[in-house]
Amino acid sequence: NAGVTQTPKFQVLKTGQSMTLQCAQDMNHNSMYWYRQDPGMGLRLIYYSASEGTTDKGEVPNGYNVSRLNKREFSLRLESAAPSQTSVYFCASNTGLYEQYFGPGTRLTVT
Amino acid sequence: GEDVEQSLFLSVREGDSSVINCTYTDSSSTYLYWYKQEPGAGLQLLTYIFSNMDMKQDQRLTVLLNKKDKHLSLRIADTQTGDSAIYFCAESWERGSYIPTFGRGTSLIVHP
Repeated sequence: NAGVTQTPKFQVLKTGQSMTLQCAQDMNHNSMYWYRQDPGMGLRLIYYSASEGTTDKGEVPNGYNVSRLNKREFSLRLESAAPSQTSVYFCASNTGLYEQYFGPGTRLTVT
Repeated sequence: GEDVEQSLFLSVREGDSSVINCTYTDSSSTYLYWYKQEPGAGLQLLTYIFSNMDMKQDQRLTVLLNKKDKHLSLRIADTQTGDSAIYFCAESWERGSYIPTFGRGTSLIVHP
């Protein structure tokens, strides 16, 4: 039981490049989430998926797109990376109530 | 203002008790959580409390909830160097998916 896995762990992009962050969970959770964490800012919700086939915007969705590929996988895409998107990105999942389970994070630097 | 507020830093000596405080604004909050983040890792749930409870104790951890003042605290007894981490307070209520709102996190530094 791996829990929530994220790939890659680290990434450096140049401004304007695109990339997809991958997330998968093996806990049969309905809901999945993408957050970004910046120093002193806590966690800010980018997008979430309450169930397979649905996605909704969170607090800071601009510059991102998501795909809920199936119940296990939820990807986050940056179409044209900007330095302001330098951050640590966390994927999380839960049943829709109570505890969220977090992945180990992806550390992204945009130069 | 922020929905969930925490002080950013707390420094304690090993063996002392640590108290991390949090205030929230939403009186509809149903669940209140404490998450721990160790360096280079994701968040992990430490404990949670329902809004109809005043206190919850789990080994070295004590959570106190003052609903009138919308104040939540986490007390760690006999703090150890392994407790050094960032602690996040979060609250959630029914707004579709009980999505929690997180505070900015309190960095707990434990020194010998």
